Amino acid sequence: RKEVEQDPGPFNVPEGATVAFNCTYSNSASQSFFWYRQDCRKEPKLLMSVYSSGNEDGRFTAQLNRASQYISLLIRDSKLSDSATYLCVVMYSGGGADGLTFGKGTHLIIQP
Amino acid sequence: EPEVTQTPSHQVTQMGQEVILRCVPISNHLYFYWYRQILGQKVEFLVSFYNNEISEKSEIFDDQFSVERPDGSNFTLKIRSTKLEDSAMYFCASSEGGNTYNEQFFGPGTRLTVL
Repeated sequence: RKEVEQDPGPFNVPEGATVAFNCTYSNSASQSFFWYRQDCRKEPKLLMSVYSSGNEDGRFTAQLNRASQYISLLIRDSKLSDSATYLCVVMYSGGGADGLTFGKGTHLIIQP
Repeated sequence: EPEVTQTPSHQVTQMGQEVILRCVPISNHLYFYWYRQILGQKVEFLVSFYNNEISEKSEIFDDQFSVERPDGSNFTLKIRSTKLEDSAMYFCASSEGGNTYNEQFFGPGTRLTVL
């Protein structure tokens, strides 16, 4: 069974703070990992891919722990515009055009 | 910047009616997908489509659903006999390739309301 679990939040943090989200996935055959961002009533948009060695994109850092089947996202110096729902996403590569498996998302609210 | 477009933005229908949701994927993309998101729930994969046939489908994608690429630009999702529980946001997505290195770009969605 393919499941992705996230703390739904909401996380209420002051502007400028650092915030971290975690996610776990159930299927060890998972191949690729992503963080998407979804604004209210909008489509999901790719924030960043997550690599085994960890990767950084500006204020965002993603980490993957395959042994623990755990993915994290760290946001530094948070901005008001970071307020959104952050979706942990996993792809199981079965050889075809694979669909993405989404977590339910973690809701982040940045307060001025 | 190229984008996926979807029409209509909102569709209201009576239970038991057929609906067709339309998508125009990004022009050089070869892989197409449909997802749905019931209000307050997670985004769920329905189906993927490549080379004019279904590549993968989830257990949600039962006999009441079908997909088609009727011409060189459109990709459609048909729901034959809508149920109340089909009310959701339906997202179309497309990607250049089908493997894990190809980003799936999502359209803005069609909100389907079944009364």
